[in-house]
Amino acid sequence: LAKTTQPISMDSYEGQEVNITCSHNNIATNDYITWYQQFPSQGPRFIIQGYKTKVTNEVASLFIPADRKSSTLSLPRVSLSDTAVYYCLVARGDSSYKLIFGSGTRLLVRP
Amino acid sequence: DAGVIQSPRHEVTEMGQEVTLRCKPISGHDYLFWYRQTMMRGLELLIYFNNNVPIDDSGMPEDRFSAKMPNASFSTLKIQPSEPRDSAVYFCASSMGQQYSPLHFGNGTRLTVT
Repeated sequence: LAKTTQPISMDSYEGQEVNITCSHNNIATNDYITWYQQFPSQGPRFIIQGYKTKVTNEVASLFIPADRKSSTLSLPRVSLSDTAVYYCLVARGDSSYKLIFGSGTRLLVRP
Repeated sequence: DAGVIQSPRHEVTEMGQEVTLRCKPISGHDYLFWYRQTMMRGLELLIYFNNNVPIDDSGMPEDRFSAKMPNASFSTLKIQPSEPRDSAVYFCASSMGQQYSPLHFGNGTRLTVT
């Protein structure tokens, strides 16, 4: 499974845009990039998933360059409630059911 | 949609006792996963089932751990005997059968073994 690397922590302020970048240098052709969010005392929650270029939903955008060796999760105008741990994962095509979580990025949004 | 339901939310037990954690997946989901989360090791996949059949249990730490899924709406994770190092938050998750379907997690069971 492709190993992912992302910053351990990030700080931001309310109203700002936050971009969290994840590297996955050995991503394979059939792999998808998936992001989860986890609040304290809760299980992780799916945010967004993509294969290439850009994906947008009501929560976030996901930017994936052509070489797919990295991806950036973009959270527009964060609020205090966006304080959480964000996990970048690579879902392998032949075993996409087996998701392996890394350490994640702890995002702290300040007033 | 009630989501994935886990019970109990908290469990405190003494070393050597048997512990049973319970999970009810989302109706219609045919994959079920058990994860364990600790500060030191993060989120670890223990075992997952497809259509009630265990597919991969390579993450189960020891023979003291066992998991069953007797039907599509219920699964258990049992630890016997429990040890202090088993203290963690145990999450159950489910997903639909399509490839790359997102996982839906429960709110976990916080286990403390004294």
